[in-house]
Order: sequence, then C-alpha cells, then structure tokens
Amino acid sequence: SQTIHQWPATLVQPVGSPLSLECTVEGTSNPNLYWYRQAAGRGLQLLFYSVGIGQISSEVPQNLSASRPQDRQFILSSKKLLLSDSGFYLCAWKRADYQETQYFGPGTRLLVL
Amino acid sequence: SQQGEEDPQALSIQEGENATMNCSYKTSINNLQWYRQNSGRGLVHLILIRSNEREKHSGRLRVTLDTSKKSSSLLITASRAADTASYFCATDATTGANNLFFGTGTRLTVIP
Repeated sequence: SQTIHQWPATLVQPVGSPLSLECTVEGTSNPNLYWYRQAAGRGLQLLFYSVGIGQISSEVPQNLSASRPQDRQFILSSKKLLLSDSGFYLCAWKRADYQETQYFGPGTRLLVL
Repeated sequence: SQQGEEDPQALSIQEGENATMNCSYKTSINNLQWYRQNSGRGLVHLILIRSNEREKHSGRLRVTLDTSKKSSSLLITASRAADTASYFCATDATTGANNLFFGTGTRLTVIP
C-alpha cells in the first residue's frame, strides 16, 4: 500500500533562517506531488506541484521554492524565512493518470518567530 | 478564482442529528470532492462526485451536486462525536496537473 511521510511534524524557526521540509511517498511510482499551505482556520493554498523529477510548477509568488530530486521525494525550501511563512504545510500525492483523489501527509506545523 | 466556498463556516450539533454542509464554486468542473481534516492533521478523502452525477452515497455520507447552481452539499446522517472535524470541498482544475482547489472549510462540532 501507499504511504506518504512528512517531517518534521513541528518546527520553530527564527526569521531569516533557512527551511527544508521533506516529503516522501512509498508504494507508488511517478506520482504527481503537491505542496499546500494552510493558514490557521483557513483552507488550503496550493504552493507547488510536480509531475516528474526536476519538474516544478509554482502556483503563487512567494518566498519559498520546491525541488524534486527523486521520483518520490518532494522538498520545500526557503533561504530566509519570513514571519508570514508560518502555517501548516501539507504534502500530497496522486496517481499520474485519470485518478482524481489526492492523498495527504500528516503535515508540518511551522512557526516563524 | 475557482476556489470553492463552504457554508456555514462552523456548525455545532448534538450527537445523532444530521449535519449539512454546502459548497459553492465558480467555474465548470469535471468532479467535486469532499475531504475531512481532524485538527492538526492531514486531509482524508471522503467522496467524489462527477459532474454528470447528481447524488452519491457512501455509508452515512450523502453528497449532491447541482452544476446549474455550481453548488454541492454534504450530508452526514446520525452524527457521532468522532465526526467532529473540518470538512472541505475541492474542485478540479481544467489545466495543470489535475490540481484541486479547496474551499475554506466548515468546522463541524458534534456534541456527545
């Protein structure tokens, strides 16, 4: 069966520090991968998606970047965090075919102080 | 924006009652999905309804879709305390990697 991992679960970082959040998927090949951010009590905002290794599409301009160095690995990064980067970050995957359902990881709560 | 909007934003009911949540969206869709999120956790897919379907059932869940009104509803019957969570509708995009656009969610509290 497929599983998706995210780490760390919680992260507290000072403003101006770098960020690296990792997401890995097991049990599937060539998935579509997604990074979302969820502000407190709000819906999900799609940040990045990837349809293959090295292929990254950005949905909104921001202080973050994403990379996909391996088929089942998706990394969210920042060189210098801003206060506004605080939030709940969710990684998701879906099969790269007609299937519409996305499967979410447990999320990383980031607090920038 | 294609993003859906749920209403109400928050709903509080007694255990055993039915809960109805609504979702409205702005553009044409291929399908609409409902997801559930327990506090501080990831989202879990509940049910998908296609644009050519009007109603779908899954256990205690009933979803309706009215494409002429660009709206959907999620009904949870005989609610339980364990149903307490946030519920989001998501519509598909016509471009991109089958991206989903999520609404702002309805926070459901079921009081035992």
